[in-house]
Amino acid sequence: AQKVTQAQTEISVVEKEDVTLDCVYETRDTTYYLFWYKQPPSGELVFLIRRNSFDEQNEISGRYSWNFQKSTSSFNFTITASQVVDSAVYFCALTPGANSKLTFGKGITLSVRP
Amino acid sequence: GAGVSQSPSNKVTEKGKDVELRCDPISGHTALYWYRQSLGQGLEFLIYFQGNSAPDKSGLPSDRFSAERTGGSVSTLTIQRTQQEDSAVYLCASSLGGGAGEQYFGPGTRLTVT
Repeated sequence: AQKVTQAQTEISVVEKEDVTLDCVYETRDTTYYLFWYKQPPSGELVFLIRRNSFDEQNEISGRYSWNFQKSTSSFNFTITASQVVDSAVYFCALTPGANSKLTFGKGITLSVRP
Repeated sequence: GAGVSQSPSNKVTEKGKDVELRCDPISGHTALYWYRQSLGQGLEFLIYFQGNSAPDKSGLPSDRFSAERTGGSVSTLTIQRTQQEDSAVYLCASSLGGGAGEQYFGPGTRLTVT
């Protein structure tokens, strides 16, 4: 069985603050893939990143960065210098790859205040 | 190019009626997925299509739910004898192939059963 835990439910920050969204996963598969999706108030889920279990290199894309650590089964997401447009619900998800079903965490609601 | 489209965007129906929800995936995407998003349950997988076949139907909550895909493209999710607990946003996603390709989501159909 697979499980994704996003322990933080709501986070509120002031614009320009850095914020880290935590994701902890459980799986017995040796090969798996991790994802982050953003769901803005408009409702449509937007793909942000995919990571496979064999690549622990951290990734940076503009103000976004991801830290994948197999030793702690975590795949955390950091937004640097947050902006109001970052306000959304962020979901972490997991798939074993052989079966494409995504298992999602409960999501974290991020509010960025001006 | 065009993204995943879903229709209708909103559907209000009376308890006991049947409803059909439609999904048009991104052109060329062979994999198609249905998920359901509700306040209490978060994002739940329903069914996965690879081409016209459904190798994973494990998420369908009851035999009132069914789905089909024709021509390797459009998919229809049918809910028979709707119940109030079926009220949710039904999301469709598509990806280039099975495995662990990133899934691109449509805007969803908000179903309200009165």
